[in-house]
Amino acid sequence: NAGVTQTPKFQVLKTGQSMTLQCAQDMNHEYMSWYRQDPGMGLRLIHYSVGAGITDQGEVPNGYNVSRSTTEDFPLRLLSAAPSQTSVYFCASSYARVDMGEQFFGPGTRLTVL
Amino acid sequence: DAKTTQPNSMESNEEEPVHLPCNHSTISGTDYIHWYRQLPSQGPEYVIHGLTSNVNNRMASLAIAEDRKSSTLILHRATLRDAAVYYCILRDRSGGSNYKLTFGKGTLLTVNP
Repeated sequence: NAGVTQTPKFQVLKTGQSMTLQCAQDMNHEYMSWYRQDPGMGLRLIHYSVGAGITDQGEVPNGYNVSRSTTEDFPLRLLSAAPSQTSVYFCASSYARVDMGEQFFGPGTRLTVL
Repeated sequence: DAKTTQPNSMESNEEEPVHLPCNHSTISGTDYIHWYRQLPSQGPEYVIHGLTSNVNNRMASLAIAEDRKSSTLILHRATLRDAAVYYCILRDRSGGSNYKLTFGKGTLLTVNP
């Protein structure tokens, strides 16, 4: 199993540009989520999905869109990048167990918005 | 949301046990206690989780107070590879969702050779 994969690893955008961060998992997990981590901070939840076709907002959803058309993929779209979105983005997945169990994280995408 | 409180940093020596504390005085009866760690420049990594009873796995032990208002992550013999930020997290059930993990700032563990 490849686990949770994220692409790209690094990205530089100009203000106003749009882009999609890719996330895929091959463990047949129902639950997937996106977090951002700013320097010296813990992770903050952006959006999450409990299954294909179902998404919901987390703590900091503004400026981001998600969709979940398949179990495996959960892309994160930045509609119009802003410098405040400079961060490291992590995707995670897990089985939808009542205790949530182990959540698997990807290696992260480091995004810089100029 | 039920919150957790952890020390900002702790130090340990290699091959000695480490006890990382976490206070969660507002925990609800069905909140699970999760621990994750994050090594430098990596994504978080699951360590252990529990509800009421103490738990052991190959990485660590989790000791949960009888009143569940605090817990302690125990690394039995710290190695240099255990140097990381350790997060104590309660499963967030607010808003009707029981799938969210809310990360705080965690405890930065330094392991001295």
